[in-house]
Amino acid sequence: AQKITQTQPGMFVQEKEAVTLDCTYDTSDPSYGLFWYKQPSSGEMIFLIYQGSYDQQNATEGRYSLNFQKARKSANLVISASQLGDSAMYFCAMIPQGGSEKLVFGKGTKLTVNP
Amino acid sequence: EPEVTQTPSHQVTQMGQEVILRCVPISNHLYFYWYRQILGQKVEFLVSFYNNEISEKSEIFDDQFSVERPDGSNFTLKIRSTKLEDSAMYFCASRQEVYEQYFGPGTRLTVT
Repeated sequence: AQKITQTQPGMFVQEKEAVTLDCTYDTSDPSYGLFWYKQPSSGEMIFLIYQGSYDQQNATEGRYSLNFQKARKSANLVISASQLGDSAMYFCAMIPQGGSEKLVFGKGTKLTVNP
Repeated sequence: EPEVTQTPSHQVTQMGQEVILRCVPISNHLYFYWYRQILGQKVEFLVSFYNNEISEKSEIFDDQFSVERPDGSNFTLKIRSTKLEDSAMYFCASRQEVYEQYFGPGTRLTVT
């Protein structure tokens, strides 16, 4: 079974600084995908970034990048140049590829960006 | 940009009543999902749906739950006899062939 661990219940960062949100995972599947989603206080789930387990390069999407360390089973999200609108819950999730359809989520990290 | 939509945004119902939560997935997506998030907890998978049938379901998705794609655009989740513990945010999601699942804004279900 897959498991996602997010050890930081809350994080604080100053506006314009970079922040890293931690995510470790556990799976026996040889092929899998890793995701990050943002959930603002309004409640919707916003897809941010995806990393496949066989991707050679770390994924990047604008100010978001995923620091993927396969041997350590970690998939940390890096947000550069934080903005006040980045304040939200952030969820790491994974899915095995070629098998189960379900996304398995971590418990989330609440990020607060201070002005 | 196309998006998943869900109605209603908030539903209040009495215990034992039936509710239907509605979703319109992104039009060219082929795979559909329901997830739920009890307040303050993590998001949990309920069911996946492809080619007009359930492809996977969790242990939460018992006989009280059903899903349907009644036409080419809607995807519904029915709870036959709601319980207090069904109170949660219910998310619909959809995807194409690639792996990213795009979520709707959610329906907050409150069972009293």
